[in-house]
Parts: sequence; C-alpha cells; structure tokens
Amino acid sequence: EVQLVQSGAEVKKPGESLKISCKGSGYSFTSYWIGWVRQMPGKGLEWMGIIYPGDSDTRYSPSFQGQVTISADKSISTAYLQWSSLKASDTAMYYCARAGYYYDSSGYYLPNWFDPWGQGTLVTVSS
Amino acid sequence: DIQMTQSPSTLSASVGDRVTITCRASQSISSWLAWYQQKPGKAPKLLIYKASSLESGVPSRFSGSGSGTEFTLTISSLQPDDFATYYCQQYNSYFLTFGGGTKVEIK
Repeated sequence: EVQLVQSGAEVKKPGESLKISCKGSGYSFTSYWIGWVRQMPGKGLEWMGIIYPGDSDTRYSPSFQGQVTISADKSISTAYLQWSSLKASDTAMYYCARAGYYYDSSGYYLPNWFDPWGQGTLVTVSS
Repeated sequence: DIQMTQSPSTLSASVGDRVTITCRASQSISSWLAWYQQKPGKAPKLLIYKASSLESGVPSRFSGSGSGTEFTLTISSLQPDDFATYYCQQYNSYFLTFGGGTKVEIK
C-alpha cells in the first residue's frame, strides 16, 4: 500500500525554528514528486512547493519562496518542510502529497496530480 | 502564475440533485487538471485527473469535462456522502495551483 505518514502536531513560539517530516512507503520514493500544501484554519488549499527526491529538483510557489525550505533524504524515504523563524501566521495544517510526472513538449518531467496525501501535520504558533 | 477560479464558492443542494462545479484557468492548461474532495478534518482525496479520467474506486456519479481554460465537475445524483468541499488543481507547469474551493452543503 502506498502511504505517506507525517510527523505529529507541533506547538511553537514565534521566532522558533521547525522541521516537519513526511515518510513515504510502498513505492519507489525517488521516482515521484513530493509536494507540500498549506491549509490555514477554515481556508482553502495552497500549494507551497515540490521536490523530486531522485535528483532533489525543488520548486517553490512565489508566495512561499524564501519563507520555507523543502528537502528530502532518499536514504530514509522522507521529505521535509522547515522554517527558520516561525510567525503566528504560519499556524495551519500542512499536508504532504505524492505526485507522478508527465513529459512536456520540451522533454521536462513535470509534476501532475496529488495522490495519496499524508494525514496532515497541525502547526500552531503562539506566544 | 496560473490562477484557478472556482464557482460557486458555496452550493446548497438536496440528495439526488445533479450538481455542477466550474473551474476556470487564467490561461490554457490543456487537460492538465485534477479534482479533489475534502471532508472536515480529513486530507483531500483525488477524484478526477487529466480533466476527465476517473480515479480508481471513485463512484461513477462523478465526472469531469473540459479543456483549455474551462472545466466542470459533475455529480450526477448527489448522495449523503458527497457533502464536502471540492477543489480543482492545475498542473500545466512546475508551479501548481488550486482553485478556491466549492463547499457543497445540504439544502
């Protein structure tokens, strides 16, 4: 069974750092993209960024570029999302999700749809 | 960035109704569109990919259509389990985007 299991809920203070994880199992971790999606309380889904663990190719949404860092350790089939200095506005549920790929007209392998998704990690930032 | 606009944002319907949700892209995305269902407190679930391909295990009352900039998700006969929020997502480039969501409520 293909599965993504995320790390547990976190409660942090503004200014603290944080790294949450997403462990993949049941498939070849290096052959699929892993994306991160934010969902603020009562709001919609926001794509943050994506990484291809096979070669560490990483892309960020302009809205999140410079605000977070996405990485992966293929030796343990785990992707990460990290902050160096949290703000109260980072309070949200964060999901990781696997994406396959397709080749565009230039021969680049682009990520496609997300399936499956992790169970989510709730991050609360409060003083 | 490609912007995805869903309408309506909220929809009230009854069991058995035919429901249609629209998603418009700010530029052509060919058929590179997926639809998801999300229930409260749960992760999103893939319903449709490549605009009209039904994910395995998803009931056939769900269908997707469209290409270019306009897409629709249709539920042919709304069931109690379908009351949820639905999102579209484009994957025309490395920079993915979701629509704002459509909440399907009980009338």
